[in-house]
Amino acid sequence: SAVISQKPSRDICQRGTSLTIQCQVDSQVTMMFWYRQQPGQSLTLIATANQGSEATYESGFVIDKFPISRPNLTFSTLTVSNMSPEDSSIYLCSVGGSRYEQYFGPGTRLTVT
Amino acid sequence: GQQVMQIPQYQHVQEGEDFTTYCNSSTTLSNIQWYKQRPGGHPVFLIQLVKSGEVKKQKRLTFQFGEAKKNSSLHITATQTTDVGTYFCAGEDTGGFKTIFGAGTRLFVKA
Repeated sequence: SAVISQKPSRDICQRGTSLTIQCQVDSQVTMMFWYRQQPGQSLTLIATANQGSEATYESGFVIDKFPISRPNLTFSTLTVSNMSPEDSSIYLCSVGGSRYEQYFGPGTRLTVT
Repeated sequence: GQQVMQIPQYQHVQEGEDFTTYCNSSTTLSNIQWYKQRPGGHPVFLIQLVKSGEVKKQKRLTFQFGEAKKNSSLHITATQTTDVGTYFCAGEDTGGFKTIFGAGTRLFVKA
């Protein structure tokens, strides 16, 4: 399984500002995903980060709000733009394994005040 | 769209009791995965099931995939306090590459 790190691990941000979350993997992976998990809730897929092309966003998530970069096969960033308190959540990146499994990073706990 | 439902939402057990969580999909799944998330942690992959009727075991954990590939279960025998956490199923439908997570079952184990 891949080793995944995320930065920052947590942050408290003012509404209206933006935060960029980094996800680093210790090996090259094809599939990288970004999820949101609100406290006590399930995981909701935000987008699939594609290397060399635009991310594929799920219904309810748009590029202007959650721009994603994937410059290479080991790194991706997710930006949460123009934040509001409703964006307070845990943001997780994950990578696809050899079959269908996913391996998750430790998550970024975001609080918007 | 595809939905993956999971029950129960919560389960309180006495240490040593068994525990089961159930997962049902509105559509046929190509595979199903199970994850465990400890409190304050991130989801950790446990297992994947691909074949109709498949049963897999990991020590005290037994995973089943239904014959119709629309449901699955995770059974823990003789729970321990280390089993505490939320168990998620996640299914990928046969039509695409999208994985949908169930709502999760949070397990509490009383020593």
